[in-house]
Amino acid sequence: RKEVEQDPGPFNVPEGATVAFNCTYSNSASQSFFWYRQDCRKEPKLLMSVYSSGNEDGRFTAQLNRASQYISLLIRDSKLSDSATYLCVVNINTGGFKTIFGAGTRLFVKA
Amino acid sequence: DAGITQSPRHKVTETGTPVTLRCHQTENHRYMYWYRQDPGHGLRLIHYSYGVKDTDKGEVSDGYSVSRSKTEDFLLTLESATSSQTSVYFCATTGGRNEKLFFGSGTQLSVL
Repeated sequence: RKEVEQDPGPFNVPEGATVAFNCTYSNSASQSFFWYRQDCRKEPKLLMSVYSSGNEDGRFTAQLNRASQYISLLIRDSKLSDSATYLCVVNINTGGFKTIFGAGTRLFVKA
Repeated sequence: DAGITQSPRHKVTETGTPVTLRCHQTENHRYMYWYRQDPGHGLRLIHYSYGVKDTDKGEVSDGYSVSRSKTEDFLLTLESATSSQTSVYFCATTGGRNEKLFFGSGTQLSVL
């Protein structure tokens, strides 16, 4: 089983739609959580951190459920520029501390 | 942008040859990572380092070795390149456990 699993996608949505991505993690030593965005042929970049209390950044809302080992990302009022791959990321404390990425969910926002 | 530089940006090599990829950072970050990215697999961790001369294996470490002799440089070596190692390789760094990763621009490696 992969340590971090995401919806496979792709998601195809019209502009203005609300879209939700899910992610589960398996390692109970997971300590911190993030969503990254990756555009085609580019390096990933941080979209937002995910906190237990839930957090919002403009049109983006992230939530964490530690009991269920589940993370989500909600995008409201989708824009064409939101088209990208969204990566769920987990930091795991193994003594050495490593960062594991989900395989990513591709989003296409259409006019 | 963070000062993460990968070299080379592109490389074509033949099966069986050794290859070394370099990651150089100017951020004085403690943690450094090498990932490979392939269609359908996303980013997979090859090796990581949590300090000078402190390294550990990731999930796809077979056929790869790393070295970190100073804070700013993290080298990834393919001891004998195989076609299955054709991929895009990303280096990343972070200063702490709950801090974001900074990525280099990637190295496209083709093994023929």
